[in-house]
Amino acid sequence: QVQLVESGGGLVKPGGSLRLSCAASGFTFSDYYMSWIRQAPGKGLEWVSYISGGSTVYYADSVKGRFTISRDNAKNSLSLQINSLRPEDTAVYYCARGQNIADYWGQGTLVTVSS
Amino acid sequence: EIVLTQSPATLSVSPGERATLSCRASQSVSSTLAWYQQKPGQAPRLLIHGASTRAIGVPARFSGSGSGTEFTLTISSLQSEDFAVYYCQHYNNWPLTFGGGTKVEIK
Repeated sequence: QVQLVESGGGLVKPGGSLRLSCAASGFTFSDYYMSWIRQAPGKGLEWVSYISGGSTVYYADSVKGRFTISRDNAKNSLSLQINSLRPEDTAVYYCARGQNIADYWGQGTLVTVSS
Repeated sequence: EIVLTQSPATLSVSPGERATLSCRASQSVSSTLAWYQQKPGQAPRLLIHGASTRAIGVPARFSGSGSGTEFTLTISSLQSEDFAVYYCQHYNNWPLTFGGGTKVEIK
């Protein structure tokens, strides 16, 4: 069955960096677009970024220039490098399969930006 | 950016009753609308895409309808496991956006 497992979240100071990872299994990873979607505590959902099976990427305006999505198809792995973190980036970050419809989601990893 | 407005914010329903959730788009999204269910402490789960197509494994009591700017998610007979928050999301163009959610609670 499809499984997506995120890791790498934590507490970081404003201006800091983190690298989130997502290990995928149960499907042919290279055939699918993958995305990161975030949810601030008690708030709604925001589609942050996606990457095609190759190298086509998209970023929401709120993270453009600070976040970098990448993937390693040989390792069935998705990553999100997040730099210049701001308090408003505090959220659970979900790895999801798909470019515009997220049909499978990981359990999420919490990123907290606070001094 | 397309704004999705969900109503009501909270819906109180008794088990076995019908629940009707609404999602309105600020401009037409044709049929490029999905619905997700989220339970506390869990990731969202895809229920409906293409406004009316149930995702794999979704029970038939969930149905979606609508096109353009007005959409509805109907749960025909609420089961205990259906009490959750429901989000709509469009994928007509970027940025993709989600509605603010409707919480379905036990009456």
